Amino acid sequence: NAGVMQNPRHLVRRRGQEARLRCSPMKGHSHVYWYRQLPEEGLKFMVYLQKENIIDESGMPKERFSAEFPKEGPSILRIQQVVRGDSAAYFCASLRGAGAPGANVLTFGAGSRLTVL
Amino acid sequence: QKEVEQDPGPLSVPEGAIVSLNCTYSNSAFQYFMWYRQYSRKGPELLMYTYSSGNKEDGRFTAQVDKSSKYISLFIRDSQPSDSATYLCAMSARMGGNEKLTFGTGTRLTIIP
Repeated sequence: NAGVMQNPRHLVRRRGQEARLRCSPMKGHSHVYWYRQLPEEGLKFMVYLQKENIIDESGMPKERFSAEFPKEGPSILRIQQVVRGDSAAYFCASLRGAGAPGANVLTFGAGSRLTVL
Repeated sequence: QKEVEQDPGPLSVPEGAIVSLNCTYSNSAFQYFMWYRQYSRKGPELLMYTYSSGNKEDGRFTAQVDKSSKYISLFIRDSQPSDSATYLCAMSARMGGNEKLTFGTGTRLTIIP
């Protein structure tokens, strides 16, 4: 049973390019969270998705950032026209779902480290 | 005021010492309390999970929750160099049928051999 899979693990982009980060949740998990972690800082919530639905995007910047979790395939975090300040580690986490045992325990992926030159 | 406050450290202690890590919070809606451990350049992994006031022990680790004071702690006994990591507290509240987790900033711990 593979854990939460994120790719790419490392991504380098120049300013103005697009970055796409992918996350496959654990088997049986239907809820996906994205977090951003800047150096020396904690995890900052970005967005919470269920299949085909955005549940909470209160942590997402209003511009350039978008996320999706389609019916088939991984969740995608997309950053358009990247700037240097977007350089960070982006972590995806999944959980089984509300009401299930251990429903509110997140399992994290290893993260995708974005560097913007 | 942040919902969750955690001393960022860094904290360095000699091997074998008892370590105390702490978080305070302001949101009374938090019901579940967790500690995650994050090694350098890795994702956080769940260490302890509790939902009631009191102590929960797992090997060398003890999680303590005091809801009346809005204070949680993680104690590590007989600390080992392999315990060197960043420890993040996390708290969960049910909001409109969905779980919302809030993390502390993390405390960087180094155990000196």
